Amino acid sequence: RKEVEQDPGPFNVPEGATVAFNCTYSNSASQSFFWYRQDCRKEPKLLMSVYSSGNEDGRFTAQLNRASQYISLLIRDSKLSDSATYLCVVGRGSTLGRLYFGRGTQLTVWP
Amino acid sequence: ETGVTQTPRHLVMGMTNKKSLKCEQHLGHNAMYWYKQSAKKPLELMFVYSLEERVENNSVPSRFSPECPNSSHLFLHLHTLQPEDSALYLCASSQEDTSTNEKLFFGSGTQLSVL
Repeated sequence: RKEVEQDPGPFNVPEGATVAFNCTYSNSASQSFFWYRQDCRKEPKLLMSVYSSGNEDGRFTAQLNRASQYISLLIRDSKLSDSATYLCVVGRGSTLGRLYFGRGTQLTVWP
Repeated sequence: ETGVTQTPRHLVMGMTNKKSLKCEQHLGHNAMYWYKQSAKKPLELMFVYSLEERVENNSVPSRFSPECPNSSHLFLHLHTLQPEDSALYLCASSQEDTSTNEKLFFGSGTQLSVL
């Protein structure tokens, strides 16, 4: 079983739509959780960390469900510039560099 | 300016060539990484350096040879690669021993094609 699983998509939504991505992880010992964004032919960039209590950054809301071992990302009022691949990333917290990346979910926002 | 600089951006090489990828970080971090990203696959961790010492070699073939001369520079030496090694190679850095040690800052990557 893969460490981190994501629906690769693609998700195609109109501007202004709300879209949600889920991600599941296999190791219950995982301690840190992130969403990274990767534009086409570019490097991944940290979008936001995911905290147990859930957290929000503008139009983006991330939530963690430890019992079910899944993480979600909600994007409200989608913009054209949100088009990218969103990577779910899970860490063990204790070992340097031990981050597990999902394949990513591709999002295209159309006008 | 990106905090992590990688060169070259693109590289085409034959299977008998020897080339090197270079990475430099300007963030004052003390850990650096090489990742491989193949099409339709998750990022794969290749090597981790902490305070210039290699702390992880993730079962990478010996045709990939990393070098970390100081905490700001990281190289990946390539020789006798195979076509299946064609991928995007990403360098990253982070600051160890902080609450943010798992937040990675990536370079723009080297798109490698092996013919």
